[in-house]
Amino acid sequence: DTAVSQTPKYLVTQMGNDKSIKCEQNLGHDTMYWYKQDSKKFLKIMFSYNNKELIINETVPNRFSPKSPDKAHLNLHINSLELGDSAVYFCASSPSLMSSYEQYFGPGTRLTVT
Amino acid sequence: GQNIDQPTEMTATEGAIVQINCTYQTSGFNGLFWYQQHAGEAPTFLSYNVLDGLEEKGRFSSFLSRSKGYSYLLLKELQMKDSASYLCAVGKSDYKLSFGAGTTVTVRA
Repeated sequence: DTAVSQTPKYLVTQMGNDKSIKCEQNLGHDTMYWYKQDSKKFLKIMFSYNNKELIINETVPNRFSPKSPDKAHLNLHINSLELGDSAVYFCASSPSLMSSYEQYFGPGTRLTVT
Repeated sequence: GQNIDQPTEMTATEGAIVQINCTYQTSGFNGLFWYQQHAGEAPTFLSYNVLDGLEEKGRFSSFLSRSKGYSYLLLKELQMKDSASYLCAVGKSDYKLSFGAGTTVTVRA
């Protein structure tokens, strides 16, 4: 059984488009995250939600809007895509905010903006 | 990552030992974590140190010195499947995990 799943796995789109990435975890965790991994392999936190409540909102353009309909799901919507948005986006979850360091990552979504 | 330094690449022979060093500078330190990431895959949690000293977990061990802002990951009896990127990550009191750029380890036969 997949613990943390993301769809789609690959996403190729043109500049200016709007796209969404979905994430679901079946681990019963309270906390979920979105990370961006760029071409230099830096993994940077974007957002964190705990029980549907926004906890971490790093310096991310407001074109990026996360939504958590329930604690098992955390989706990421991106408006007006730019070339610099090309990266691999990882969703992750952890049992709770207090145990936020042992995170379980999804397989990643490779976004290519042309 | 911010103020987290680790070597970019290391190469070792199958059966050997490799030590990956990580130095960091941060406020609100709350643990040092190591993740493994195979090419094209998601990072997976390997180990963590909150107190100074050595934590052993099978072929992998991790060491922390908080006063020196230093950690290392020791991989023993290297296997081909250990070829991957190893990410050093610093946990902070604001619940954030900051990752280093990773060290790509190549194991040769």
